[in-house]
Amino acid sequence: KNEVEQSPQNLTAQEGEFITINCSYSVGISALHWLQQHPGGGIVSLFMLSSGKKKHGRLIATINIQEKHSSLHITASHPRDSAVYICAVRFRIQGAQKLVFGQGTRLTINP
Amino acid sequence: GAGVSQSPRYKVAKRGQDVALRCDPISGHVSLFWYQQALGQGPEFLTYFQNEAQLDKSGLPSDRFFAERPEGSVSTLKIQRTQQEDSAVYLCASSLGAGHSAYEQYFGPGTRLTVT
Repeated sequence: KNEVEQSPQNLTAQEGEFITINCSYSVGISALHWLQQHPGGGIVSLFMLSSGKKKHGRLIATINIQEKHSSLHITASHPRDSAVYICAVRFRIQGAQKLVFGQGTRLTINP
Repeated sequence: GAGVSQSPRYKVAKRGQDVALRCDPISGHVSLFWYQQALGQGPEFLTYFQNEAQLDKSGLPSDRFFAERPEGSVSTLKIQRTQQEDSAVYLCASSLGAGHSAYEQYFGPGTRLTVT
């Protein structure tokens, strides 16, 4: 049933490592979001993109519409990057925009 | 306020009790969404409002779940006769746009519901 698949589900790395989290989806979309969720539940939107690549600080998000795939990269990772990263795709169903989420990738950066 | 707020942040209910969860969206945001997030899972869509109109309630898991947004701002998600499987974090999000636009959604901190 999963329209959005993320990999890996869990990722542990050392401070400074380059991190890649992948997201694949199966439906035509109007936009894709990368979200960050810290313990306690609060969700922060990192990127919304519909094509190409976006960069914000040490975070880079790319999307390939033809391949239905997106990646989130973190350069020079830091322990404060530890969180759950969620990919969500926006598509239109029955005239309304709907957001479907992946199951999340739990990232732990060790000092 | 500056962001989306939700109350209460934590709720413990005995099985069979009714609960009401509140969401205060960002002022002026047209769209409001409710999501349910089970432990270790991504959020799942419950329902969507455009102003006061509930345009999509296809994600509500049963008729025990009811949501309203009577004046197009604050929304309440009500769960009647709570069951243990209702235990989850309930997230509210709002966005400026409506309909076919791809406006960004802003999330509240969530309400963690535990049914014992």
